[in-house]
Amino acid sequence: TQLLEQSPQFLSIQEGENLTVYCNSSSVFSSLQWYRQEPGEGPVLLVTVVTGGEVKKLKRLTFQFGDARKDSSLHITAAQPGDTGLYLCAGFILTGGGNKLTFGTGTQLKVEL
Amino acid sequence: EPEVTQTPSHQVTQMGQEVILRCVPISNHLYFYWYRQILGQKVEFLVSFYNNEISEKSEIFDDQFSVERPDGSNFTLKIRSTKLEDSAMYFCASRAPGSSQPQHFGDGTRLSIL
Repeated sequence: TQLLEQSPQFLSIQEGENLTVYCNSSSVFSSLQWYRQEPGEGPVLLVTVVTGGEVKKLKRLTFQFGDARKDSSLHITAAQPGDTGLYLCAGFILTGGGNKLTFGTGTQLKVEL
Repeated sequence: EPEVTQTPSHQVTQMGQEVILRCVPISNHLYFYWYRQILGQKVEFLVSFYNNEISEKSEIFDDQFSVERPDGSNFTLKIRSTKLEDSAMYFCASRAPGSSQPQHFGDGTRLSIL
């Protein structure tokens, strides 16, 4: 299957908590992107990971690409209400995936005061 | 920062009518895409376009759909005879040359078929 599964699907936490979102597939990806999408807007790119085992940090967000390039995680430290949104992973499948992005199922995050 | 722009933001059309969704990709990008997102569902690939031709299309992109780059800046998606199930958000994306370059998305056009 070429499906990218994200978990959890929904997450509601309090301000200041940490959280991790997972993105898993049975397919190998040549690269993987994380996007954040607000209602009524398009996905906004957060990061691209390319190398297996790669870790990238964007302020309080830490992104990791699995060693086998089949999975990725997004960890948010000390979440803030401004982090609320839909988080999407999307990647280019290495074999037979062509030039298209395969999107994950999304994680809806809500951070409350 | 350069961005992908899409017009209109919302299009309401009667079933059976033709619609054209417009996109202005980022100026130095060479690869262009259309995706759609039905309400409550994930983003789905429709078509990719490079060097003035379609490079890949999904099963969704049937004969009712077409894409065009009529000039050096616009990239359009035409739906010839709209159906109720075409109602969705349609996103345009573009990327720079280089296999690891990410795709940048516009804010989408909400298409409502009545």
